[in-house]
Amino acid sequence: DQQVKQNSPSLSVQEGRISILNCDYTNSMFDYFLWYKKYPAEGPTFLISISSIKDKNEDGRFTVFLNKSAKHLSLHIVPSQPGDSAVYFCAASAMGTYKYIFGTGTRLKVLA
Amino acid sequence: DTAVSQTPKYLVTQMGNDKSIKCEQNLGHDTMYWYKQDSKKFLKIMFSYNNKELIINETVPNRFSPKSPDKAHLNLHINSLELGDSAVYFCASSQGTAPNEKLFFGSGTQLSVL
Repeated sequence: DQQVKQNSPSLSVQEGRISILNCDYTNSMFDYFLWYKKYPAEGPTFLISISSIKDKNEDGRFTVFLNKSAKHLSLHIVPSQPGDSAVYFCAASAMGTYKYIFGTGTRLKVLA
Repeated sequence: DTAVSQTPKYLVTQMGNDKSIKCEQNLGHDTMYWYKQDSKKFLKIMFSYNNKELIINETVPNRFSPKSPDKAHLNLHINSLELGDSAVYFCASSQGTAPNEKLFFGSGTQLSVL
């Protein structure tokens, strides 16, 4: 049972445009969400997070939106840069579980 | 100076062998994890230790045995390796326990069982 889903395995965006990566979850107990970026042959690195008490969190070019009623979150990158080309994972956690559940990732390719 | 380092980076071995993967973090974190990324790219938690105590043990075969000699180290020993164990194994650490904690990952160990 996959509780965190990233239904788009890949996405291509032109440099300078907006990249929107989506993530859906099924467990209503999740109360903290993170996005990770992963380059080939490296481990995932933390990008941005959001608590369930918020619906938006912004950090520079990266903004995460959370829609609790739809159990959906999205990561917006604007403007997109070639260096943003990587696999992006969303992850979710529920209080007391001590673990994060990860999605399968979306491969973003930013075209110069 | 790598924050979370794991060795080896690549491990190729025969079915039935026993192998270990080592992980060390120099961040002073209290919690360490092992994640497995399989061929379908699922990144699944296997184990978590907090201050050397096991707090998460997912439904992992008991051929997998984690060992945490101290807070900075979490090693993974695998007995009687099987073809299905082929995957990338990531070690990670966090200051405390999830949620509200960022995970810091190592660069992964690609295990290939022949």
